This record gives sequence, C-alpha cells and structure tokens, in this order.
Amino acid sequence: QKEVEQDPGPLSVPEGAIVSLNCTYSNSAFQYFMWYRQYSRKGPELLMYTYSSGNKEDGRFTAQVDKSSKYISLFIRDSQPSDSATYLCAMTHSGGGADGLTFGKGTHLIIQP
Amino acid sequence: DAGITQSPRYKITETGRQVTLMCHQTWSHSYMFWYRQDLGHGLRLIYYSAAADITDKGEVSDGYVVSRSKTENFPLTLESATRSQTSVYFCASSDSQVNQPQHFGDGTRLSIL
Repeated sequence: QKEVEQDPGPLSVPEGAIVSLNCTYSNSAFQYFMWYRQYSRKGPELLMYTYSSGNKEDGRFTAQVDKSSKYISLFIRDSQPSDSATYLCAMTHSGGGADGLTFGKGTHLIIQP
Repeated sequence: DAGITQSPRYKITETGRQVTLMCHQTWSHSYMFWYRQDLGHGLRLIYYSAAADITDKGEVSDGYVVSRSKTENFPLTLESATRSQTSVYFCASSDSQVNQPQHFGDGTRLSIL
C-alpha cells in the first residue's frame, strides 16, 4: 500500500461546478498537509498549507483535514477553465521544511467551458 | 525576479554520460530538495539539504550525487546516466522557520538515450 493514495482521474466537470479532490494516507505521523497545483510543463505551485485536522479557506479554495480518518480534501468553488491542471496532495512529518514531502500521484482536473 | 531557477530546462544525453542539473534560489532558504516526477509514481524525493555542506538521501538516491557549497545553489549530478533516470527533475526550497512550505522550480526535462 502506498503511503498516499490519490485518484489520477481525469476528473471532468462543467464550469461553475464545485470540485472535490481527495487523498488518503496511511502514516499517522503526518502532521502538515499541502495541496499543489501543477500546469503542464511547469513546477508545482502551492495552493493550501494546513496543520493537523480542520478546515482552511482561501478564496474559492477550501482544504479539509480529517486525521482520524487519514483523509484530506480540497474543494474548489465556482470552478473556472483556468483551474484545469493537475492537483497534487503532499504531506510531511514536520512543518519546518526539514523533511521531504510525500506526494500523491496527482489528479488531472478538466473544467469544461 | 526572486525565486528558484533550474537549468537547463531540457537535456538529452546518452547512457553512461555524466550530467549535472543546476538549481539556484534567491530567497536564502536553508532547505533545498531534489525530486523526480514520473508517470505512475508522482514526485519522489532524491536528496535534500538542510544547509551548506549538509546533505541527506531521500527515497530514490541511488545513482545521484549532490553538493551544496553555497546556500543558494544545489546541483544534482548523475554520475553515469541510465535510461531509468529519464524523468522530470524538480528542485524546491523552504525557509528554516517552522511551518514554511516548499516552493518549486519549473523543472528540468531529462531524456537519456
């Protein structure tokens, strides 16, 4: 079993829909959780960064962490064609940047105009 | 512009050759990382560095060498390239303060023939 599981998609939704992206993980030592967005031939771009369980909102994006279920989610409201990209979940034991990140394989999201 | 720069962006070489990928960051971040991204595997950690002259192996370090003589540079060398090292390589950095996430460059696409 991989440490982090993420459905690769593709996930195709109409413009304006609410998008839900998810990851599950097996290592209970993970404390910090991130979502990155990656456009084709570009590097991962940080979207959300959360610590432990709970919700965090930033504009149209909401990140949820449920440590008891080892499950994290990213919600995108009012989705736009420019949101079409690959979304990577990532997690680590420490928040100080000292550890490498463990990534999911990424979900390819397509927003249809 | 401040940020993290990788060079070259694209590289084609032959098996057995030595190749060095460069990474330069202007934030004065303490931590730097190298990842490779492959279809079916996602991003995996190769090496990381906590400061100048301090480096440590990641999940997939075999066949790679790193050095860090200056804080801002973190070159990755493939001493004798193999076809299995064909991949997209990403460099990342993060600040030494607690709760600082990693930021990525735009990658080097390496093909080994």
